[in-house]
Amino acid sequence: DIVMTQSPSSLAVSAGETVTINCKSSQSLLYSGNQKNYLAWYQQKPGQSPKLLIYWASTRQSGVPDRFIGSGSGTDFTLTISSVQAEDLAIYYCQQYYDTPPFTFGSGTKLEIK
Amino acid sequence: EVQLVESGGGLVQPGRSLKLSCVASGFTFNNYWMTWIRQAPGKGLEWVASITNTGGSTYYPDSVKGRFTISRDNAKSTLYLQMNSLRSEDTATYYCTKPYSGFDYWGQGVMVTVSS
Repeated sequence: DIVMTQSPSSLAVSAGETVTINCKSSQSLLYSGNQKNYLAWYQQKPGQSPKLLIYWASTRQSGVPDRFIGSGSGTDFTLTISSVQAEDLAIYYCQQYYDTPPFTFGSGTKLEIK
Repeated sequence: EVQLVESGGGLVQPGRSLKLSCVASGFTFNNYWMTWIRQAPGKGLEWVASITNTGGSTYYPDSVKGRFTISRDNAKSTLYLQMNSLRSEDTATYYCTKPYSGFDYWGQGVMVTVSS
């Protein structure tokens, strides 16, 4: 099974700052047949269901603000949130869908706003 | 508008059974695989079961294999999860999800508590 490792586990920033969350997979998520990375990012706000933010490692889901940017390829991926807002308080998860099932998630990164 | 509405959760004793349902709307249900994902209190996300669009194949992690059964009724646009021999570690919120380049839609979740 592919293991997803996220870091950091938590971070606290002030509104307006830029945040970087890292996700590393135990094997490449890049499929040579279509040059796509099978990696998604989710946001889970307190008391809510997770929400898909990014798929194919860098494609924003419809309606997601452009301050959320996904990047990376192969085994190393990053979610960048520029100009963080109070409403971005949430736990963020990465997930691979390359070798599925099983679908595997990172352990999550809790974002707090100072 | 896509909607996934779960039901059937509750408090159950260890060793007993429970069946969850998820009614889907807003998309062509029989075109898509479906998946259950759970989240224990204060913990991360764990894949529980998946089923192909026809129901012909099902998939489980070792943690629930042999105890849980995923099924679907395409005529009713409904997904099910039969949970047998429940354990305390099965206590979680269970989400019905639609996989498509990740999981693009999630239900509101249903809580299952396994306790004596």
